[in-house]
Amino acid sequence: EAEVAQSPRYKITEKSQAVAFWCDPISGHATLYWYRQILGQGPELLVQFQDESVVDDSQLPKDRFSAERLKGVDSTLKIQPAELGDSAMYLCASSLLGSGRYTGELFFGEGSRLTVL
Amino acid sequence: AQSVTQLDSQVPVFEEAPVELRCNYSSSVSVYLFWYVQYPNQGLQLLLKYLSGSTLVKGINGFEAEFNKSQTSFHLRKPSVHISDTAEYFCAVARGFGNEKLTFGTGTRLTIIP
Repeated sequence: EAEVAQSPRYKITEKSQAVAFWCDPISGHATLYWYRQILGQGPELLVQFQDESVVDDSQLPKDRFSAERLKGVDSTLKIQPAELGDSAMYLCASSLLGSGRYTGELFFGEGSRLTVL
Repeated sequence: AQSVTQLDSQVPVFEEAPVELRCNYSSSVSVYLFWYVQYPNQGLQLLLKYLSGSTLVKGINGFEAEFNKSQTSFHLRKPSVHISDTAEYFCAVARGFGNEKLTFGTGTRLTIIP
């Protein structure tokens, strides 16, 4: 069964360092999402891509966060510099939105857990 | 803007007992409602969704939910739980189909007691 791949699963870094997360969506999924899930809270959308274009990045802290999906397939989320409050699970998801076969379902990866010391 | 309230952060239930996880939403427009489950150390998986039609929605693993527009609720139920149902359950709402941004609740941790 096709899955959304994310790496690394775990990342420990010191504040002010740079960190990057990678996501490979399910093949054929035009839309890719990055969510942040702080412990004890629900996921919050950071950025949404359709193909290589940003659809929504209204909640992305653009002074330190950046995201790209250059060829409309895999994506990278970067944080520079990392702050203590960035400790969270970063979830990538993909969907068929934009392909004409959207059912409303998002498919999530296992996430990348970031700890900032 | 829409919002989702999950009233119970933790629900302990004995094995084979019924369970109801509560979800209330607020939105000034028509909504689409979802329940996702997150097993330990895994990503979220769709349990069921309400887009239109019948207000009683059946999902995977024996779960069902009922959309109640007058009470703005979308409670999740299962008549008999199993140990394997131990997980975090998230209710989510979207205003539109296709261009929506999903808004998640804070989650309910379901613990099954043997």
